[in-house]
Amino acid sequence: GENVEQHPSTLSVQEGDSAVIKCTYSDSASNYFPWYKQELGKGPQLIIDIRSNVGEKKDQRIAVTLNKTAKHFSLHITETQPEDSAVYFCAASISSNTGKLIFGQGTTLQVKP
Amino acid sequence: DADVTQTPRNRITKTGKRIMLECSQTKGHDRMYWYRQDPGLGLRLIYYSFDVKDINKGEISDGYSVSRQAQAKFSLSLESAIPNQTALYFCATSEGGGSYEQYFGPGTRLTVT
Repeated sequence: GENVEQHPSTLSVQEGDSAVIKCTYSDSASNYFPWYKQELGKGPQLIIDIRSNVGEKKDQRIAVTLNKTAKHFSLHITETQPEDSAVYFCAASISSNTGKLIFGQGTTLQVKP
Repeated sequence: DADVTQTPRNRITKTGKRIMLECSQTKGHDRMYWYRQDPGLGLRLIYYSFDVKDINKGEISDGYSVSRQAQAKFSLSLESAIPNQTALYFCATSEGGGSYEQYFGPGTRLTVT
C-alpha cells in the first residue's frame, strides 16, 4: 500500500524567512496530494492541494511543487508569520479509487517573532 | 470546523471499558472517516463510510467498530479499551465525486488508564 514519509519533524524559522517541508510517497498511482494545517486544539484544515497533472501550484504565500518522477512533493511558505506556527501534514491519495488519504507524520513549524 | 462536531471532546476511561465516540455533520456529505492521531505517526485511518450502507476498514481497524446511523452521524466504538488506544481521534467528512477535500472535526482526546 501507499506510504508517505514527511521531513523534517520539527522546523523553526525566523519571522519573514521561508519554510520548506518535504514528503515522499511510494505508490506511483497516487495522483492527489493535499497539505493540511493543524492549529493547537483544532482539527486539520486543507490549505493547498495539487493533482498529478500539475507541477506547481501557488496561493499567496504558500506553494506546492510535485516531482512525479522522484515521487516527492514539497510545501513552501514564504514570508513566514507567527500565525503560520502549526503542525503541517502532507497526504497522498489515489483519487480515482476511494479518496482515502494516507498522511505523513507531520511537521511542527515554529515561527519566531 | 463547526460543521463537524465530535462528542465528547475529552474522555478518560479504564482498561476494559466499552466507549463510544460520536460524530455529527451538517455539511450534507456522504463520506465520513475516523482517524487517530499519535505523536510522530500522523493521522491513521480507522474506518470510513461512503454512505449509510457502506462501511470499510482502514489501516488500523482492530479493536474498533463503527456505526453509520444516518448520513449525518458516524460513531466509533472501542469494544474493550486498552492503554495503547490512548490518542487523539478525529472524524472527517468529504463530499465525494470529484471533490477530495476532507473537513475535520475538533477531535476527541481519549485517555485509557
